[in-house]
Amino acid sequence: RKEVEQDPGPFNVPEGATVAFNCTYSNSASQSFFWYRQDCRKEPKLLMSVYSSGNEDGRFTAQLNRASQYISLLIRDSKLSDSATYLCVVTNAGGTSYGKLTFGQGTILTVHP
Amino acid sequence: NAGVTQTPKFQVLKTGQSMTLQCAQDMNHEYMSWYRQDPGMGLRLIHYSVGAGITDQGEVPNGYNVSRSTTEDFPLRLLSAAPSQTSVYFCASSWRKNTEAFFGQGTRLTVV
Repeated sequence: RKEVEQDPGPFNVPEGATVAFNCTYSNSASQSFFWYRQDCRKEPKLLMSVYSSGNEDGRFTAQLNRASQYISLLIRDSKLSDSATYLCVVTNAGGTSYGKLTFGQGTILTVHP
Repeated sequence: NAGVTQTPKFQVLKTGQSMTLQCAQDMNHEYMSWYRQDPGMGLRLIHYSVGAGITDQGEVPNGYNVSRSTTEDFPLRLLSAAPSQTSVYFCASSWRKNTEAFFGQGTRLTVV
């Protein structure tokens, strides 16, 4: 079983749609959770961190369910500029050393007019 | 406002050649790492460093060496390039473990 699993999509949605991405992780000791965005042929960039209480940043809402080891990202009122690959990222406990980032394979989103 | 700088952006190597991918960050981050990204595989950790003079292997270290003589620089060496090392390589740095990672722009490497 992969450490971090995402539905690779692709998701094709019209502008203005609401779209949700899901991610599951296998290591119950995982400590930190993130969503990164990667545009075509570019480097990944942090979209938002994910907290147990849930957090919102404009049109983006992230949720974490530690009991189910599940992370979600909701995008409301999709824009053309939201087209990208969304990466679910989990850091392992890593003991006293590096908190290794483990990436999901990414979910491809295409927003069309 | 440089952040993480990787060079070169593109490289073509012949099988058996060696080369060094450069990575530098100007944010005084402790943690630096190298990933490779392949279609259908996601980003996989090659090597990482938790500070100057300290390096360790990630999940796919074979064929690569690293060193960390300064806080700023973390070069990745390909010892004898193989076609299986054709990939996009990203260097990343972060302030400490479990915090946001900042990525360089990537190096697209082709080994023929």
